[in-house]
Amino acid sequence: DAGVIQSPRHEVTEMGQEVTLRCKPISGHDYLFWYRQTMMRGLELLIYFNNNVPIDDSGMPEDRFSAKMPNASFSTLKIQPSEPRDSAVYFCASSLAQGRNQPQHFGDGTRLSIL
Amino acid sequence: TQLLEQSPQFLSIQEGENLTVYCNSSSVFSSLQWYRQEPGEGPVLLVTVVTGGEVKKLKRLTFQFGDARKDSSLHITAAQPGDTGLYLCAGAAGGTSYGKLTFGQGTILTVHP
Repeated sequence: DAGVIQSPRHEVTEMGQEVTLRCKPISGHDYLFWYRQTMMRGLELLIYFNNNVPIDDSGMPEDRFSAKMPNASFSTLKIQPSEPRDSAVYFCASSLAQGRNQPQHFGDGTRLSIL
Repeated sequence: TQLLEQSPQFLSIQEGENLTVYCNSSSVFSSLQWYRQEPGEGPVLLVTVVTGGEVKKLKRLTFQFGDARKDSSLHITAAQPGDTGLYLCAGAAGGTSYGKLTFGQGTILTVHP
């Protein structure tokens, strides 16, 4: 079975540019999560969706960040305008809704560098 | 806000040694998960503990959930170079935060041959 697929794997862009990260969750999973990982702050939850509806976006740093899930098989995380402090590895994860102990399945991440 | 503190942050040991990683919080979690992450990849689930006092074993790895469901530990016996990686604990809050995990900062383990 295909796991969570993220694209691109690497992105290098200049400050001020728009960045769009993409995620395809595992088919049938009801939850989708966006995380950011840095050495300083570890793995931080940015936003998560249940059945395509945003449930909690309290981790989104500021208005420059936005996330959408137009359908069950696709989500985007957009940063506009990007800043050097946004440099990090961004992970998407998905999980089933049944039961409280379902694992989250992570993609391999997008390594973002803002120059 | 629920926080999970992991210790130690870094661990460098020789092959064959034993080690323990701790995950502590002042909050109660409905369950706690342990993940392992290798460079260039996302975290992968190792185990989920649910009941206070629960102990689970996965080959040389032993996981324990505290009686009060506020803390957990991961013990590795006779560590091997293949155990090298980032170990993350993650707590599930339940209730209105159903599905959401709070991750600890992680422990970077290096096992030298």
